Amino acid sequence: NAGVTQTPKFQVLKTGQSMTLQCAQDMNHEYMSWYRQDPGMGLRLIHYSVGAGITDQGEVPNGYNVSRSTTEDFPLRLLSAAPSQTSVYFCASAPARTSGRVPDTQYFGPGTRLTVL
Amino acid sequence: GESVGLHLPTLSVQEGDNSIINCAYSNSASDYFIWYKQESGKGPQFIIDIRSNMDKRQGQRVTVLLNKTVKHLSLQIAATQPGDSAVYFCAEQVRTDKLIFGTGTRLQVFP
Repeated sequence: NAGVTQTPKFQVLKTGQSMTLQCAQDMNHEYMSWYRQDPGMGLRLIHYSVGAGITDQGEVPNGYNVSRSTTEDFPLRLLSAAPSQTSVYFCASAPARTSGRVPDTQYFGPGTRLTVL
Repeated sequence: GESVGLHLPTLSVQEGDNSIINCAYSNSASDYFIWYKQESGKGPQFIIDIRSNMDKRQGQRVTVLLNKTVKHLSLQIAATQPGDSAVYFCAEQVRTDKLIFGTGTRLQVFP
């Protein structure tokens, strides 16, 4: 049971390049989410998904796309990278929500450190 | 920690002492709060949560206190150990699908 895995661990992009950050979980969790973490800003929600085929925007969705074709995978796409997207990106998963509440026991991946030059 | 900030507030405590980490939240409508721990190079890890109908909740060596009047949350760690060194975040649920994270506090434990 690997939990939540993210690849790559580190990435350097040039402005305007596109790339996909991979996230996978093997716990059969329905809820998955992407956060970015910047100094002094805490974690901010980018996109999330409550199940295969369902995605929704979080707090800072601009410049990012997601899809959820399977329960296991939740890739995050940067369409045209900008220096403002330099950050550490965390993927998280959790069992299905109950009582309409954000899952408390979200399991976070180890993160991807992205630098955009 | 992993890019968590050169400018984080830092709490330094001696091993064996109790630690108190504070957090002010922003939304008076928030009804659910979580504390996370983030060690260097790792993702955040759930510690303890509390709902707004409570003012105190205890876990193993940790206690969360909630003061809704002043919108304040605190995490108390008893008998702090070197393994408690990390960055601690509070988070508030402002909608059914959205958590707002605080900026974090770095806890340093020295012998």
